[in-house]
Amino acid sequence: QVQLQESGPGLVKPSQTLSLTCTVSGDSISSSNNYWSWIRQPPGKGLEWIGYIYYSGSTFYNPSLKSRVTISADTSKNQFSLKLSSVTAADTAVYYCATVGDNISFEYWGQGTLVTVSS
Amino acid sequence: QSALTQPPSASGSPGQSVTISCTGTSSDVGAYNFVSWYQQHPGKAPKLMIYEVNKRPSGVPDRFSGSKSGNTASLTVSGLQAEDEADYYCNSYAGTNNLGVFGGGTKLTVL
Repeated sequence: QVQLQESGPGLVKPSQTLSLTCTVSGDSISSSNNYWSWIRQPPGKGLEWIGYIYYSGSTFYNPSLKSRVTISADTSKNQFSLKLSSVTAADTAVYYCATVGDNISFEYWGQGTLVTVSS
Repeated sequence: QSALTQPPSASGSPGQSVTISCTGTSSDVGAYNFVSWYQQHPGKAPKLMIYEVNKRPSGVPDRFSGSKSGNTASLTVSGLQAEDEADYYCNSYAGTNNLGVFGGGTKLTVL
């Protein structure tokens, strides 16, 4: 069973960079044929896919966020990370990391972490 | 990319069946059989209920079923139970490595 756990600051100031890490257990992010993804959910709203890093290291981002997003991986720690730059209050959300297999579905999810953008 | 269209709410009495629709375009739902559905209870992470239009992960009751016709996918919950009350989201692959077009979500109420 794959388990994911998000970690990072719960409060970020406007215009700064949001940084989160997802620690994976039960699978290897470098050898598994999975897409390692980030999704967010603003309070009281729906889900928004942010992007993914493939096991090969390639990345793909939601076009609406592409200019501000970077997803990277640290295979030695079996972690992948999200950086979102120039944040505003609109980026306040619960951020989830999740796995996507070759059936193109988000099979395993972390518990989520709330990030609030406020001065 | 535009979000998939779901009704904001649906309801049914215990034991009844309810169907939730998810309408996309010929570039996402209509083009690929990679439609998935997620159940989310308040304060919890979403849970995968259906993948590849109509397949159930291990452990998901067979009361949950999925289908697709043209640009519209559907989730049917049969034999409604109180614990089925939750938000439901659809998702579709949209080509060119775009994994994540989500619907706006449907709040299912068990009366």
